Amino acid sequence: QVQLQESGPGLVKPSETLSLTCTVSGGPISGYYGYWIRQPAGKGLEWIGRIYTSENINYNPSVESRVTISVDTSKNQFSLRLRSVTAADTAVYYCARDDINIGASAVFWGQGTLVTVSS
Amino acid sequence: QSALTQPASVSGSPGQSITISCTGTSSDVGGYNYVSWYQQHPGKVPKLMIYEVSNRPSGVPDRFSGSKSGNTASLTISGLQAEDEADYYCSSYTTIGTLVFGGGTKVTVL
Repeated sequence: QVQLQESGPGLVKPSETLSLTCTVSGGPISGYYGYWIRQPAGKGLEWIGRIYTSENINYNPSVESRVTISVDTSKNQFSLRLRSVTAADTAVYYCARDDINIGASAVFWGQGTLVTVSS
Repeated sequence: QSALTQPASVSGSPGQSITISCTGTSSDVGGYNYVSWYQQHPGKVPKLMIYEVSNRPSGVPDRFSGSKSGNTASLTISGLQAEDEADYYCSSYTTIGTLVFGGGTKVTVL
């Protein structure tokens, strides 16, 4: 069974860069879409972006100017970098992966990691 | 991109059927058959319940069904059970190659 695990700092200072890595086990990330999704406390899900290859990446326009998603197929990982963070970026961040023949959907999810933006 | 529109809450008694709507535009819901539905219990990870408008992943009970008409997609839960009490989110592929979620609907089993 495919499993995903987010890792990275749980506390980031305002104006700095949030960096998270998603490690995929039990299956490849190559050939699949990796997603980043976040959820502020008590609020709904927000799609941040997805990566298929280094040349095939889509970002939510609301964060596009601040975000970079990358993939390292040799480590079976993909990563999120969000620059110039503010308190509004405080959320649980999930990574997810799709599956074959299941289009445009996050099938396998990580447990989520809480990132707090505070000085 | 604007979030898809869902009712804030829907309720029903055990055994009843309920329907949650998800309204977008011709640039997302209406333009593609890539609507998904997720279930999220409090403090838990979202779970995919429906993909491509009406398909159920393996293991999802057949009392969950999805449909679409124009710019509005719907999730119907038939034979409502206590364990179905959760938040439900729709999502859709968009014309600019992104995905967008709805604001979420809290389902209460009376």
